[in-house]
Amino acid sequence: GAVVSQHPSWVICKSGTSVKIECRSLDFQATTMFWYRQFPKQSLMLMATSNEGSKATYEQGVEKDKFLINHASLTLSTLTVTSAHPEDSSFYICSAMTSGNSYEQYFGPGTRLTVT
Amino acid sequence: QKEVEQDPGPLSVPEGAIVSLNCTYSNSAFQYFMWYRQYSRKGPELLMYTYSSGNKEDGRFTAQVDKSSKYISLFIRDSQPSDSATYLCAMSAKGGNNAGNMLTFGGGTRLMVKP
Repeated sequence: GAVVSQHPSWVICKSGTSVKIECRSLDFQATTMFWYRQFPKQSLMLMATSNEGSKATYEQGVEKDKFLINHASLTLSTLTVTSAHPEDSSFYICSAMTSGNSYEQYFGPGTRLTVT
Repeated sequence: QKEVEQDPGPLSVPEGAIVSLNCTYSNSAFQYFMWYRQYSRKGPELLMYTYSSGNKEDGRFTAQVDKSSKYISLFIRDSQPSDSATYLCAMSAKGGNNAGNMLTFGGGTRLMVKP
């Protein structure tokens, strides 16, 4: 099956610093990738949709200047949390869709961000 | 009102029990219905997918969709301790790989199967 990886799996950073999270499709090309945020015991909240080579589409209420998304290739998308604050601490999950007529999103294992 | 409602649980059952997980939704445009399983601190993995109304069976898992009632279910037969996880329903109005194919998730139901 299609595999999506995320790196790092866990990161702790100080308030005010920036953190970059990578999402890679390992064995398929993903023209569309999604970034989600998940708080403890809550469901996934879509943050943004990114298409390779174009700007990401952000969901309402998500600050595009704070959560920078780059989808530079068909196998890599990055999410950079800029000037992180403790309230940004969360579980960030990406998913990727294969090209062609497919309904399925393949999810990465998630990245746990803790901002101190 | 949320677009997709799901009882958060936790749902605790003995090993071997039949488990019923349910979601209701309000958006009649939803046509694609999925169930994901998520273990603690892991990403979701797709369990079942159904298009439009009907039933689908895969091993111990059966997914049902009733579009007229806007109600979907996942049944787990002969539940095992390894089934203990959070189960998320998800829905989409479109198939195909385009930016409009976003999933709307339910809140997730935490299931615990006790040996």
